[in-house]
Amino acid sequence: DAGVIQSPRHEVTEMGQEVTLRCKPISGHNSLFWYRQTMMRGLELLIYFNNNVPIDDSGMPEDRFSAKMPNASFSTLKIQPSEPRDSAVYFCASSWGQPVSGNTIYFGEGSWLTVV
Amino acid sequence: RKEVEQDPGPFNVPEGATVAFNCTYSNSASQSFFWYRQDCRKEPKLLMSVYSSGNEDGRFTAQLNRASQYISLLIRDSKLSDSATYLCVVNRGGGSYIPTFGRGTSLIVHP
Repeated sequence: DAGVIQSPRHEVTEMGQEVTLRCKPISGHNSLFWYRQTMMRGLELLIYFNNNVPIDDSGMPEDRFSAKMPNASFSTLKIQPSEPRDSAVYFCASSWGQPVSGNTIYFGEGSWLTVV
Repeated sequence: RKEVEQDPGPFNVPEGATVAFNCTYSNSASQSFFWYRQDCRKEPKLLMSVYSSGNEDGRFTAQLNRASQYISLLIRDSKLSDSATYLCVVNRGGGSYIPTFGRGTSLIVHP
């Protein structure tokens, strides 16, 4: 079975450039999460979608970050303009069920972003 | 106080040892608890859920203490392959499931 698919796996970009990260959740899952992981801050939730609707975006750092989920099988996280402090691993994850059920979250392999 | 706190370690133990990690959480309304494992440069993967009555999966035992708001993970007969970072996950509670991860505890099992 296909897991959560993320692209690109690795990206190196220059400060000020736009970065778009993509995610395809597991088919049938109705919750999607974007996380960012750094050595300093660990794994931080950026935004959570349920049934394609953003439920909690309180973790989105600032206006430079935006996320969309136009349909159940695709989501994007965009950074514009990018800054060196955005360098991190960005994980997309998905799960199934109602928000209160606490089902297993499945992670993609991550997008390793370096902004120079 | 952080929502989910873990001792970052590293815990450095010999093969065959028993090791235990704790994780404390701040939201008393939290309802779901998990342990995830993350290998170096890999994504986190579910190790086990944590149930109120405690649960065991082979060499791994998870416990929940709601009164003191902590969960624990016990690993018996450690293997070299257990070397990884162990992440505690707690939902935010209050009727919504938004998983919050601890920063993880690093375990190194040596020969």
